[in-house]
Amino acid sequence: GAVVSQHPSWVICKSGTSVKIECRSLDFQATTMFWYRQFPKQSLMLMATSNEGSKATYEQGVEKDKFLINHASLTLSTLTVTSAHPEDSSFYICSARDMRGSQGDEQFFGPGTRLTVL
Amino acid sequence: TQLLEQSPQFLSIQEGENLTVYCNSSSVFSSLQWYRQEPGEGPVLLVTVVTGGEVKKLKRLTFQFGDARKDSSLHITAAQPGDTGLYLCAGGVTNAGKSTFGDGTTLTVKP
Repeated sequence: GAVVSQHPSWVICKSGTSVKIECRSLDFQATTMFWYRQFPKQSLMLMATSNEGSKATYEQGVEKDKFLINHASLTLSTLTVTSAHPEDSSFYICSARDMRGSQGDEQFFGPGTRLTVL
Repeated sequence: TQLLEQSPQFLSIQEGENLTVYCNSSSVFSSLQWYRQEPGEGPVLLVTVVTGGEVKKLKRLTFQFGDARKDSSLHITAAQPGDTGLYLCAGGVTNAGKSTFGDGTTLTVKP
């Protein structure tokens, strides 16, 4: 149980285009999902907290107009990187909380999406 | 702001050696998770500890939560190359929303 998928697993795009990344909880409902960015050999950097049916909460320094987050259902959240530039190249990871579990702070992570902007 | 400090940041050892990774904070957490991440993949949950002083074992891995629920340790006995990866601790506070992640410990176990 508690499986989270991400699609695509990797994407290469041209500078100026937009890229959408999907995060799905496959066998549980997730009222809260998180989006992280990770640089090589570093820890996770939280970008935003996504709550189903409401606006995402962005961390300080993260441009909400550039990184659009939509959490339209209890099993799906999407991150759209708008007008991508080479500096947006990174490993993006989502996670979800299984609210049924007794350990409410646990997060289950997707496999990540490697974005390369040329 | 809650902070979690992990140490050491990097650790390279030979197969068969023992090691301990530490996760420390000045804040109290309602629970603490340990994750392991391999390159190019997402972190995988190893364990959750919730009670001060709690000790959990997962095969060769032993996890301990400090009595005051401010710190935790991960001890690996007889490390194997398959233990190589980035180890992350994360502290949560009930109903606080997001968790606080440590900076991670990159472990390399050489055969």
